[in-house]
Amino acid sequence: GENVEQHPSTLSVQEGDSAVIKCTYSDSASNYFPWYKQELGKRPQLIIDIRSNVGEKKDQRIAVTLNKTAKHFSLHITETQPEDSAVYFCAVTNQGGKLIFGQGTELSVKP
Amino acid sequence: GAVVSQHPSRVICKSGTSVKIECRSLDFQATTMFWYRQFPKQSLMLMATSNEGSKATYEQGVEKDKFLINHASLTLSTLTVTSAHPEDSSFYICSAIRGGWTEAFFGQGTRLTVV
Repeated sequence: GENVEQHPSTLSVQEGDSAVIKCTYSDSASNYFPWYKQELGKRPQLIIDIRSNVGEKKDQRIAVTLNKTAKHFSLHITETQPEDSAVYFCAVTNQGGKLIFGQGTELSVKP
Repeated sequence: GAVVSQHPSRVICKSGTSVKIECRSLDFQATTMFWYRQFPKQSLMLMATSNEGSKATYEQGVEKDKFLINHASLTLSTLTVTSAHPEDSSFYICSAIRGGWTEAFFGQGTRLTVV
């Protein structure tokens, strides 16, 4: 089955710096790659997603890049703010909604 | 937008009892719903896929007789944890998708504590 690896597990940055989180996956048939932000005790919140026919997508301070050949995709957050502090998960699917999640990255943005 | 509501948000039960968790799609018909479990400081692990009117498909290692899933309508799926034990204490989250869509919409989650 699909295997998703996410790195790093923890990431600490200064406010205003950039943060990058990377994920690799194993199933070349995967075609949808969402990123979620989860605060303690809350549901995952979709922050950006990308489909297999696109290499890059940007939404204000957040961007995602996808390399299908290498089977990896990355989340980029620029100009980080303290409210960006949370746990971030990547996920992949090739079966409409059945998500396989990465292990998560705890991002801490220090003022 | 698409709203998924999950109840209860928190439940404490005694060891050996059963607990039912409901997942409802409020403004759309959910062709498929999914159930995840999340232990503290860990990722979301898919437990099962639920399709309306048919038996749920369980992931490897998930006991189907312990985690009963019923998807009786296009807007409601239920997860029943039977004979709960302390090791079943976890955060359970459902998600739902609309027909032809890929994006999943999550419920608020249920914090289950078995004492």
